[in-house]
Amino acid sequence: DVKVTQSSRYLVKRTGEKVFLECVQDMDHENMFWYRQDPGLGLRLIYFSYDVKMKEKGDIPEGYSVSREKKERFSLILESASTNQTSMYLCASSYQIAARETQYFGPGTRLLVL
Amino acid sequence: GENVEQHPSTLSVQEGDSAVIKCTYSDSASNYFPWYKQELGKGPQLIIDIRSNVGEKKDQRIAVTLNKTAKHFSLHITETQPEDSAVYFCAATGGGGADGLTFGKGTHLIIQP
Repeated sequence: DVKVTQSSRYLVKRTGEKVFLECVQDMDHENMFWYRQDPGLGLRLIYFSYDVKMKEKGDIPEGYSVSREKKERFSLILESASTNQTSMYLCASSYQIAARETQYFGPGTRLLVL
Repeated sequence: GENVEQHPSTLSVQEGDSAVIKCTYSDSASNYFPWYKQELGKGPQLIIDIRSNVGEKKDQRIAVTLNKTAKHFSLHITETQPEDSAVYFCAATGGGGADGLTFGKGTHLIIQP
């Protein structure tokens, strides 16, 4: 079974702090994604990566950056957290983009910014 | 970019009845349409998907239909059971300059005993 793990289930941070959210997948997937999930808005794509050291902006990249130094690990970085970044963050991975393969999701990190 | 509309936002059905959730999409180039189920405290899990070269796909009590001309697709759950209670998301490829999925806003399905 594919397993996508996220470093924390819950995080509480203060405005202005630098925040790292970590995601690891164990199936040698090429592609990894970060979404945020908000009530009434569904899931929105922040960034994705199709290879090590490669990254592409999604629909809402402002205020975020990402890092993919190893194939299995994809990090989401909030350089200076703000209260409007309070949300559920979901990481996903998939094998191939071209074939529109299934995306497998982690359990999510619920971030509260005070 | 791609825009996915999903209806209804909440759906309550009696146990044993059928449930139907509908989605429309805007990008005629989209060719992959998955459905995800999200239970409380968990990440979304794929339950069924359909590609644009087929019109219908079925897996036990779950089926998905696709109408490319009208740009809509639907999820059908028959003989609903309490464990079907969850939030369901439809999605489509494309949009926003990215290869990630564009999701609908979700449907909270409630199965009444």
